[in-house]
Amino acid sequence: QSFLTQSPTASGTPGQWATISCSGTHSNIGSHPVSWYQQVPGTAPKLLIYGSFHRPSGVPDRFSGSKSGTSASLAIRGLQSDDEAHYYCATWDDGLGGPMFGGGTNVTVL
Amino acid sequence: QVQLVQSGAEVKKPGSSVRVSCKASGDTFNKYAINWMRQAPGQGLEWMGGIIPIFGPPNYALRFQGRVTISADASTNTVFMELSSLNFEDTALYYCARDRTTVYSHDNSAFYFESFDMWGQGTKVTVSS
Repeated sequence: QSFLTQSPTASGTPGQWATISCSGTHSNIGSHPVSWYQQVPGTAPKLLIYGSFHRPSGVPDRFSGSKSGTSASLAIRGLQSDDEAHYYCATWDDGLGGPMFGGGTNVTVL
Repeated sequence: QVQLVQSGAEVKKPGSSVRVSCKASGDTFNKYAINWMRQAPGQGLEWMGGIIPIFGPPNYALRFQGRVTISADASTNTVFMELSSLNFEDTALYYCARDRTTVYSHDNSAFYFESFDMWGQGTKVTVSS
């Protein structure tokens, strides 16, 4: 199966920034909006960002999304211990005919 | 409370089939697309297919076509995912999820994805001999 490309790990100390990247092609990220999900082990994913940079109500503004060309990023400002989780990007893929996910990034707060 | 409630854990033999259910509210069933993803142990999320219950037919990822069947029962507001010819690699957590946007946000009845704002609790399927 195919996935969008994410770096496997990211880390930072409390209060720092963390940035997670998501790379794709013109048939997915280059043509469609991106969403981001946070998954704490043992729980279902939670929507953090939709439409590449919009936050659902209840998601802190410490989380922000951006997109440029065939890449997207999720930034976490002011890292906190409960930000430790796996983070996934997703977008529509024209070849798949449905949503394609990234392989996930494990964020550790040192 | 708006939520998706999935059926319980299953243990299946190789070669058999499993059917997982996802019960929604009437509002969700009648206005949104419902999708199925799976997550193998220690792995990421993989889309299997989805359905807009009021329109149909289902849409499947190519690698599952011929093995997966997604259906919807309007009398119980429930979406089902059946996976056949199970093998050990099908051991995973299976999730249903609702698209954030309603069908009325889109121009036609074609299948769509914007983001998933509501997820079921997950159903563990173990394939073991």
